[in-house]
This record gives sequence, structure tokens and C-alpha cells, in this order.
Amino acid sequence: DAKTTQPNSMESNEEEPVHLPCNHSTISGTDYIHWYRQLPSQGPEYVIHGLTSNVNNRMASLAIAEDRKSSTLILHRATLRDAAVYYCIPYPNTGNQFYFGTGTSLTVIP
Amino acid sequence: ETGVTQSPTHLIKTRGQQVTLRCSSQSGHNTVSWYQQALGQGPQFIFQYYREEENGRGNFPPRFSGLQFPNYSSELNVNALELDDSALYLCASSNRGQGVTSPLHFGNGTRLTVT
Repeated sequence: DAKTTQPNSMESNEEEPVHLPCNHSTISGTDYIHWYRQLPSQGPEYVIHGLTSNVNNRMASLAIAEDRKSSTLILHRATLRDAAVYYCIPYPNTGNQFYFGTGTSLTVIP
Repeated sequence: ETGVTQSPTHLIKTRGQQVTLRCSSQSGHNTVSWYQQALGQGPQFIFQYYREEENGRGNFPPRFSGLQFPNYSSELNVNALELDDSALYLCASSNRGQGVTSPLHFGNGTRLTVT
């Protein structure tokens, strides 16, 4: 299973873009890259996933490096509600379990 | 659509006792996974159920067991509770019909305290 490295914590000002990095240098060619976030006192929430191309949805964008050894989750305008722990998870397309790691705790400053 | 619901929300048990936690899947989902989350840690995979059978297990002892019912709801049973079992237990449902990368939809968990 691919190991991931994420910063323990990051801060952002409200209404500014946030770039959350993840290093997954041991990822295999068929692993998807999933991002989840966990708000305080809630279960994790799916954010986005991709394989090779950059992906966009209503919550965020996912930029995947050409060699797939790293990815960046982009929140275009941080809000106070985006304060959460963000998890980057390589997930094999034949797998059945997500390895969450410890994630990045994002603080949004008003 | 209804989301994933878990019960109870909080529970206090004594070491050595047994506990059953319950989970109702999101409508249209046929797969249930259970995770344990200790304070300050990310969730850890316990096991997954698909078509009422265990479909993968993490590094947890046999005293952690589960069931999935025909309506896709699920139970997590833990026997001989230990103090280290104190954690947030999360249930997640997904739909294998959408492919194995179908996103997980989590409930808000059951907070178990073992004294």
C-alpha cells in the first residue's frame, strides 16, 4: 500500500485559495488518489478523486503531478466551514480498504 | 436520499463486556465498511461487508465481528472489551455497482468509552 506524506497542519485566510499538498511517491500505476475531509465531531466526507488527469467538482480541484508521485487539493476560496482534517489516500482499483493516515489539519482564519 | 445513520451515538461499557453497534446504509448502497478512530488519529479499517459476507479485514482480532443484513444494514460486535477499544467507530457505505472506487459515505460514528 502506498505511503503518503502530508503536512500536519496548515493555515489559510478566509476567502483565499488553499493548496493542500500530498506526497505519495510509492503509488502504483492503478491506484486512484482520493481526498476526504473530516469536520469536527463528524465522520469523514468524500471530497474528490482522480487517476491521472486533473479533476474539478463543486467542492474542490485536484491537481495530479505528471509522474503521479504527488497531488494537490485546491480549495478555491476557503470558508470557515472548510476547517477540517484533510486526508489524501491512494486507493487501488482492486482494493476494499482506505488507509487514512493522520492528514492535514486546516485552520481557516476569519 | 437518506444518509448513513449509526446508533447509539455514545456508549459507556466496562472492560470485559460485549457491545453491538448498528449502522443503516445510505439508500442504494450495498457495501458497508467499519472503521475505528482513536483520538488524534485517522480512521483504521476494521472490515468490509458485501452481499452479507466479509470482504476484507484489517489488523483487528477475531473478537471484532460483524454482520450485514439483506437490507444492507450492518452491525459491529466487539467481545471482551479492552480499555484500548475506546474510540469512535465509523460506518461507511458505498455501491460496488459504481466500481470499486465508489466513494465512501460515512455516518457520524458511535463514541465508545470502555472503563
